[in-house]
Amino acid sequence: AQRVTQPEKLLSVFKGAPVELKCNYSYSGSPELFWYVQYSRQRLQLLLRHISRESIKGFTADLNKGETSFHLKKPFAQEEDSAMYYCALSGNFGNEKLTFGTGTRLTIIP
Amino acid sequence: NAGVMQNPRHLVRRRGQEARLRCSPVKGHSHVYWYRQLPEEGLKFMVYLQKENIIDESGMPKERFSAEFPKEGPSILRIQQVVRGDSAAYFCASSSVLADTQYFGPGTRLTVL
Repeated sequence: AQRVTQPEKLLSVFKGAPVELKCNYSYSGSPELFWYVQYSRQRLQLLLRHISRESIKGFTADLNKGETSFHLKKPFAQEEDSAMYYCALSGNFGNEKLTFGTGTRLTIIP
Repeated sequence: NAGVMQNPRHLVRRRGQEARLRCSPVKGHSHVYWYRQLPEEGLKFMVYLQKENIIDESGMPKERFSAEFPKEGPSILRIQQVVRGDSAAYFCASSSVLADTQYFGPGTRLTVL
C-alpha cells in the first residue's frame, strides 16, 4: 500500500531562518513525488514535483530513495511562506491518483 | 482561464437527504479526480473519471456514493442518504492528459446535520 507521512502538524520558523518540512513515503516501485501548498483562502496548488527538478519560490526538494524521503527545504523563510503544505505521491504511469500526507501548517514568525 | 470550478461551495443536508456536488474542469481537460478531506486528515482519493468513463473508483465507498462525468456538462459526485460521517470537504481536480499536473478546485464543504 502506498502511504505518505508528514510527521509535523505544525511548524513555526522565524523569518530569515531555514525551513525544512519533512515527508516520508512508502511505495513499492518508483513513485512520483509532489509538494502542494494552500495559502490562506486559496485553493490547493502545485508547488513542485520531483521530476521537474525546479526551484519554485526558493523551495527545493530532493527525492532520497534510500531513506524514502522527499523533504521540502528553503534556506531563508519569508512571511509569505506561511501556508499549509501537503506532500503527495502518485504511482507509475497509468496510476494517476494522488496519495496525500496529512499536511504541515507552516507559520513564519516576523 | 477560470480554473476548476466547484459548486456549491457550501452544502448543508439533513441525514437521509441526497447531496450533489458539481465540478467543471479546466477548459479542455478530460480527466477528473475527486478527493475527500475529513477533519484533521489529508485528502483521500475517491474516483478518477474520463469523459463518460470511470477509470478508477477504488477509493469510493461501496454504497451510497456515485460519480459521473458526462460527455457534456460538469462531473457530478452524488451521495445518497447522507450520514453525519459524510461531513467533509470534497475536492475536484482535473488534468489535460494522463499523468499531467492535477489542478484543484476550491472544494465543496458538506455539512450533514
